[in-house]
Amino acid sequence: QKEVEQDPGPLSVPEGAIVSLNCTYSNSAFQYFMWYRQYSRKGPELLMYTYSSGNKEDGRFTAQVDKSSKYISLFIRDSQPSDSATYLCAMSPLTGDNYGQNFVFGPGTRLSVLP
Amino acid sequence: KAGVTQTPRYLIKTRGQQVTLSCSPISGHRSVSWYQQTPGQGLQFLFEYFSETQRNKGNFPGRFSGRQFSNSRSEMNVSTLELGDSALYLCASSRVAGRHPEAQYFGPGTRLLVL
Repeated sequence: QKEVEQDPGPLSVPEGAIVSLNCTYSNSAFQYFMWYRQYSRKGPELLMYTYSSGNKEDGRFTAQVDKSSKYISLFIRDSQPSDSATYLCAMSPLTGDNYGQNFVFGPGTRLSVLP
Repeated sequence: KAGVTQTPRYLIKTRGQQVTLSCSPISGHRSVSWYQQTPGQGLQFLFEYFSETQRNKGNFPGRFSGRQFSNSRSEMNVSTLELGDSALYLCASSRVAGRHPEAQYFGPGTRLLVL
């Protein structure tokens, strides 16, 4: 079993829909959770990050973490065609100054928002 | 401000050959990290350089190596290429070491195809 699982999709939704992207993980040491967006032929860009369980909102995006279930989600409200991209989750055990070394990424979910 | 640049963008090699990829970080950034991205394994950390010194290394064979120059530009080299080395190789730069995700910016990647 991989440490981080993510439905690869592709996921197609109509414009304006609410999108739910999910990752599950097996390592209870993960404390720091991130979502990246990657457009075609581009590198990933950090969308959101959080240290704690619960919800964190940023505009149309909400990151949700449930550590007890080892499950994280990214919700996109009022989805737009410009949201069409691959979304990667990533997590880390947050071990001091070198916590960045131990990032584990999910394989990504490809999202298409149709006009 | 110019972003992270990677050259070449696309490369085709044959098994057994070696390849060198280049990354120029954002001006003022001294940390450069390299990642391999494949559909099956997702994004995996290769190594990080800061001030010309390798700080961290991922779980890759010795065929993968890198270096950083005094102007912070970095190169990675893969010797004796295998078919499984076909991937998108991403470089990310940040001002500080440790790959803090809030401060890390990815380049567009070099897509390597090994035949």
